Formats: sequence, C-alpha cells, structure tokens
Amino acid sequence: EPEVTQTPSHQVTQMGQEVILRCVPISNHLYFYWYRQILGQKVEFLVSFYNNEISEKSEIFDDQFSVERPDGSNFTLKIRSTKLEDSAMYFCASSVGILQGNPYEQYFGPGTRLTVT
Amino acid sequence: AQTVTQSQPEMSVQEAETVTLSCTYDTSESDYYLFWYKQPPSRQMILVIRQEAYKQQNATENRFSVNFQKAAKSFSLKISDSQLGDAAMYFCARLINSGGYQKVTFGTGTKLQVIP
Repeated sequence: EPEVTQTPSHQVTQMGQEVILRCVPISNHLYFYWYRQILGQKVEFLVSFYNNEISEKSEIFDDQFSVERPDGSNFTLKIRSTKLEDSAMYFCASSVGILQGNPYEQYFGPGTRLTVT
Repeated sequence: AQTVTQSQPEMSVQEAETVTLSCTYDTSESDYYLFWYKQPPSRQMILVIRQEAYKQQNATENRFSVNFQKAAKSFSLKISDSQLGDAAMYFCARLINSGGYQKVTFGTGTKLQVIP
C-alpha cells in the first residue's frame, strides 16, 4: 500500500539554524500539507500546497517557514532560523483532490521530531 | 470559530470492556468528513475510522464504531472488546473542503489507558 514517507525521523538543531524537513507524498496525490504537534498538544495545521503554490496557511506559518516541491516527488518544509518553540513533531500529509479517487482523506506520514536546543 | 472539542483528556478501560470517547464539533459547512485518529507512543497518526457527514449510517470498522449525531454535532468513538494495543492518544478531526483542498481541524485528544 502506498504511503507518505518523511525524513529524517528525528532532527536535532541549534537555535537559529535552518532546517529542512522532507516528505515524499503518495505519487498520484495533488494536495500536500504540513501539520505541527507540540508535545502534549493537539495537531495544528500549518500550510496546504497545490499546483506549486500555497493554498492556505495558518497564523503559525510566518515568514520563518517556507514550503517547496523541488522535484516531482519531494515536498519540503524549511524553517529559516529555528526557535526553541519550534520543537515539535511535524507531519506531512497528502490527498488526491476532489476530482480523483477518495478526496476526503489525508494520508499522514510518520512525522519528523524536531528538537531545537 | 470552527472548533473540534474533546472533553475527556484521559479515559481508562478494562481490557475486553467497551469505552466511548466523546467529540463535538462546530461547522457551518454542509459537506464535511469526520475522523478518529489513533496516535500511539511512536506518535504516528493512524486513521481509525471515517464518517461522511451526508451518510446517516454510523461507520464501523471491526471493534471500532461511531455514534454520529449530525444535529447535535456529536461524533463519539466506541471501542468494543478493548485490547492493550488500543492504548494511545485518540484525536477527533473534522475535514472540510475549501476551494478544492481539504482543511482538517483536530481536537485536543483523549489519552486512553487500557488496564489488564
């Protein structure tokens, strides 16, 4: 069964450093998402991406964050200058879109645990 | 505000017994989907069950079933014959369509403990 993959599983970085979290969505999916879960808290929407541009972003997704689909398979989340409060689990998700298959399900990756020290 | 509320931060159940996790939501949309996700200690999000809002029949997946009360905007999860492996955080989530892509809002989660 196809699945969303994420690398690395755990990233440790120093405050102020740039990090790039990588995701490989399911191959025929068209919509891509990033979510964040601070330890002990709920999962929060960060951004959605379609057709090589951001569809919607939350108030969390400020200028320190950016997303990119650099090639046909990867979907990345970059944090330019990490802060302690960026420590969280970051989940990537993808979906097929309304006109194809089952549009009403997002498939989540296993997550990347980001620790900022 | 369009929110998803889980009023039970923690629940416990004896192995082999039945437990119900509560969820209420708010939405002005007529077309939406509801989900329960399980998050074990590995923190991976695992889809447990899905309910389409336009369907009156409650969804069932093996030992997991939902009680969907659309008018009351309630979506509870029932776990029958609880097993030790069911111990996890459970998140209720609502998905709405927004200009072609989906927007998912999660509840705060319920931590389920299964007692042997």
